Amino acid sequence: GQQVMQIPQYQHVQEGEDFTTYCNSSTTLSNIQWYKQRPGGHPVFLIQLVKSGEVKKQKRLTFQFGEAKKNSSLHITATQTTDVGTYFCAAGNTPLVFGKGTRLSVIA
Amino acid sequence: SAVISQKPSRDICQRGTSLTIQCQVDSQVTMMFWYRQQPGQSLTLIATANQGSEATYESGFVIDKFPISRPNLTFSTLTVSNMSPEDSSIYLCSVWGQGTDTQYFGPGTRLTVL
Repeated sequence: GQQVMQIPQYQHVQEGEDFTTYCNSSTTLSNIQWYKQRPGGHPVFLIQLVKSGEVKKQKRLTFQFGEAKKNSSLHITATQTTDVGTYFCAAGNTPLVFGKGTRLSVIA
Repeated sequence: SAVISQKPSRDICQRGTSLTIQCQVDSQVTMMFWYRQQPGQSLTLIATANQGSEATYESGFVIDKFPISRPNLTFSTLTVSNMSPEDSSIYLCSVWGQGTDTQYFGPGTRLTVL
């Protein structure tokens, strides 16, 4: 099955700094999804990327799917304390296989 | 979207006992999934539960330890049997949204085994 590696495992940033998490696979992915899990919460769907080289934006969040469809990134511009949580990438189909996640902490 | 509820939300159990977790969805879904998330870790799929057939378990998980029921298209249960402290975890029910490519998650059941 498809497996995805995610880095970094942890990231501590000052409020206002940017943040990026990366997701990599050794195989070509049909699609990739990103989820956010707040502390004490459950994973919540953010976005899905399907096309090679696709870039999608949600306010301060920018999601990118690599040209070879083997990697993806999530970039947050000017982090806020509300961005705190763990960001997971996930790939595959019914069900998804999740990366280990990147835990983001934001220091005010 | 799908709204999922789980019961109980949390429990503290004694070693050797069993706990049944219930998952209710507000719409009919074909596929339901049970995940385990150990503290600070990612989500690990336990099994896929389809209505009318036996659950399909992932490597490392067996039916005797984690029996699953799926009596209809909106409900499923997961039992954690003969519990040990290593079973302390969050157990999450999830469904594949009908007509979407999105998985929705329940709020989870936080289990502590003493």
